[in-house]
Amino acid sequence: EVQLVESGGGLVQPGRSLKLSCAASGFTFSDYYMAWVRQAPTKGLEWVASISYDGGSTYYRDSVKGRFTISRDNAKSSLYLQMDSLRSEDTATYYCTTTEGIGDYFDYWGQGVMVTVSS
Amino acid sequence: DTVLTQSPALAVSPGERVTISCRASESVSTGMHWYQQKPGQQPKLLIYGASNLESGVPARFSGSGSGTDFTLTIDPVEADDTATYFCQQSWNDPTFGSGTKLEIK
Repeated sequence: EVQLVESGGGLVQPGRSLKLSCAASGFTFSDYYMAWVRQAPTKGLEWVASISYDGGSTYYRDSVKGRFTISRDNAKSSLYLQMDSLRSEDTATYYCTTTEGIGDYFDYWGQGVMVTVSS
Repeated sequence: DTVLTQSPALAVSPGERVTISCRASESVSTGMHWYQQKPGQQPKLLIYGASNLESGVPARFSGSGSGTDFTLTIDPVEADDTATYFCQQSWNDPTFGSGTKLEIK
């Protein structure tokens, strides 16, 4: 059974940093592209970033370029999202997902982790 | 960004047929996908590539369309289908519709 378990969320002040982690199991992690998708409270879904099988290619939505960094460790079956210079508009539940390719659909989703950016 | 427009809410009775629409601001070919999100849960993929049923999803769910107009159909609707349904396009940088909240009367 595919499992994606996010961690690392919490309350952080604007301008500070936070790093999210996602532990994957139940599938061959290195065979999948991975992505982060977020959902602001009572709002819709928003793609954040994607990464290729080996981490060699990464893609970001414009509003997080230069502030967020997606990465992976295939040996640990783990996905990461380093979030710097956080803004109030980054407040959301962040979901770790598998994806069929850069910019493709999102097959499996974790339960999500909440990030609140507030002073 | 490609904007996806969905109607905000629908209410139907169990056993009925319901269609949920999604219109794209530009053609996305068949790069349209559908998700179900129940309250307090993560989204779940239902349909990919406009009309392909994800493994394990009941055959009551189906998708159709190409270009700019797409439809998710549930036939027949069951009480457990109460959820918000999102469309997502993958022709450009991924974007999602704002969701259609389905109520089962």
